[in-house]
Amino acid sequence: GAGVSQSPRYKVAKRGQDVALRCDPISGHVSLFWYQQALGQGPEFLTYFQNEAQLDKSGLPSDRFFAERPEGSVSTLKIQRTQQEDSAVYLCASSLERGKQFFGPGTRLTVL
Amino acid sequence: AQRVTQPEKLLSVFKGAPVELKCNYSYSGSPELFWYVQYSRQRLQLLLRHISRESIKGFTADLNKGETSFHLKKPFAQEEDSAMYYCALTLTNFGNEKLTFGTGTRLTIIP
Repeated sequence: GAGVSQSPRYKVAKRGQDVALRCDPISGHVSLFWYQQALGQGPEFLTYFQNEAQLDKSGLPSDRFFAERPEGSVSTLKIQRTQQEDSAVYLCASSLERGKQFFGPGTRLTVL
Repeated sequence: AQRVTQPEKLLSVFKGAPVELKCNYSYSGSPELFWYVQYSRQRLQLLLRHISRESIKGFTADLNKGETSFHLKKPFAQEEDSAMYYCALTLTNFGNEKLTFGTGTRLTIIP
């Protein structure tokens, strides 16, 4: 009966390293979302899956960002060649109803 | 493109006083509006949605299409209301369920 989980909770990367962030949605939730939240800002949309299909990736800031959800459950957000401006909290959410999203605790990424 | 504006980053209110958190949006269509809340050391969670027309924890919000506003109100603030509040909208067209958030208002209830 757990909610959305994310791992790792904290990640420190050196500039130029690749990182992978994992999201385990609530079982049975069809929709899965990734958001980026910079300090002092609201969450900003990155990408959205319905089952395994990535329906919208318009929020991904560059081609260094890539997300997948191959079996329609667990999702991974990958950031290649990390830059300092990638430092943020990355939130995952899952949903069964429009707008009613259940959020994970987030992964705080710090790029040095 | 749609946009959500929360003009107050910080708001302090005395316990027992009324609370109003402002939210304005810009979108030419008919969005759905929500308030999300994040209590200290907890995850972001849905507080209420305009289509439900419900009161949650004493909070209500009315969608005013003429003023494109969705202000959150509570008549008597309680200490446990201290939290970060985000107004958000989603579009109603099929296949697009992403939320667009405002920058948030940190509400502090003074005992």
